Amino acid sequence: GEDVEQSLFLSVREGDSSVINCTYTDSSSTYLYWYKQEPGAGLQLLTYIFSNMDMKQDQRLTVLLNKKDKHLSLRIADTQTGDSAIYFCAERTGGGNKLTFGTGTQLKVEL
Amino acid sequence: GAVVSQHPSWVICKSGTSVKIECRSLDFQATTMFWYRQFPKQSLMLMATSNEGSKATYEQGVEKDKFLINHASLTLSTLTVTSAHPEDSSFYICSAPFSGTAGNTIYFGEGSWLTVV
Repeated sequence: GEDVEQSLFLSVREGDSSVINCTYTDSSSTYLYWYKQEPGAGLQLLTYIFSNMDMKQDQRLTVLLNKKDKHLSLRIADTQTGDSAIYFCAERTGGGNKLTFGTGTQLKVEL
Repeated sequence: GAVVSQHPSWVICKSGTSVKIECRSLDFQATTMFWYRQFPKQSLMLMATSNEGSKATYEQGVEKDKFLINHASLTLSTLTVTSAHPEDSSFYICSAPFSGTAGNTIYFGEGSWLTVV
């Protein structure tokens, strides 16, 4: 079955890089997504990566995908206090558009 | 860019009444939409897949008679929580897939907080 795991909490200092990790079990994942959720709000799509890619960079965000180890990471460069939120990874499998979400990682950025 | 909108953002209702939540794709058509539920400090759990012009597909353990889904047009899906009870209080959020030149993305609405008193 599908199982997506994330560490629950990450604390970094402002200006440092943050790395949020995610592991998944379904090798048939086609797309993998990163979403940001601020308190009381919906999900904001940050970035996504197709399963045949190893890396994708978008401004301060870098996504790394290790398909062999089923490991996905999101690196946020120059982390700011506004980046404090919960970050969810999600995998899309098969031909449908259902997503299986990770447990979420709460990122806290300290001054 | 593609936007998915939900309404209402917040709703409080009395136990035993029904509540309708709308999910709209604002600048694209969505033959399929998805409804998720999120409890505080937890992840999102898929409730059902809403299919335009046909019946919704429910995930295991989700009561189809309690959570009525209607996808009447290519831009609107509704979730009605019938005979709501306090345990139905939760954050409900919808999503819609969008296929563009950059690939296939899935956008989420802003979510709807339901409190049943």
